[in-house]
Amino acid sequence: QVQLQESGPGLVKPSETLSLTCTVSGGSLNNYYWSWIRQPPGKGLEWIGYIYFSGDTNYNPLLKSRVTISVDTSKNLFSLKMSSVTAADTAIYYCARTVLRSYGSGTSRYSYYYGMDVWGQGSPVTVSS
Amino acid sequence: IVLTQSPGTLSLSPGEGATLSCRASQSVTNTYLTWYQQKPGQAPRLLIYGASSRATGIPDRFSGTGSGTDFTLTISRLEPGDFAVYYCQLYGDSPLWTFGQGTKVEIK
Repeated sequence: QVQLQESGPGLVKPSETLSLTCTVSGGSLNNYYWSWIRQPPGKGLEWIGYIYFSGDTNYNPLLKSRVTISVDTSKNLFSLKMSSVTAADTAIYYCARTVLRSYGSGTSRYSYYYGMDVWGQGSPVTVSS
Repeated sequence: IVLTQSPGTLSLSPGEGATLSCRASQSVTNTYLTWYQQKPGQAPRLLIYGASSRATGIPDRFSGTGSGTDFTLTISRLEPGDFAVYYCQLYGDSPLWTFGQGTKVEIK
């Protein structure tokens, strides 16, 4: 079955760039959206952004100015970069397969969201000097 | 749209039923509402999509209902593995995906 594995440095200095990679095994990137979500210690979940296999992206407006998500279909992975990090960016960072399908056409077109059905185990990142 | 979950914590005994609420600040499309379970040290797990459809492998003790602004996750006959934090999530607003703040179901 499909598995996701995050990787990257566990410690990043303030003002530097956080970089994480999510490697997908057991399946293809094709026809899915791929999200990054984070969870600060003891707190809830925050969606960071997604990339579609074709390269289309969408980001949380609160983080948009600092976030870039990219995809490498040849290596079956996608990546997150977050610049100018502060202590507030300390969190566990998850990648997740996101299933969103569109049906119909023209004025009858509609979307159905099937959820974030496969998650990585999470990559803890601490921002500290 | 803001998702507000209640209660913050639910203290119950194994075998009891649990009712978790997720209220949206404005009416939402049912097909965009999902529920997740998160155990300590683990990633969230998808339970319910489309407000009421169980994800693959989810036992029928878990059920989702609701429409408009009010949604409910019901867990019948709590088992030891069900004690966890539960999040509702909405697709379609700004940001594109929003989570509720979570409800913790703890052992009484």
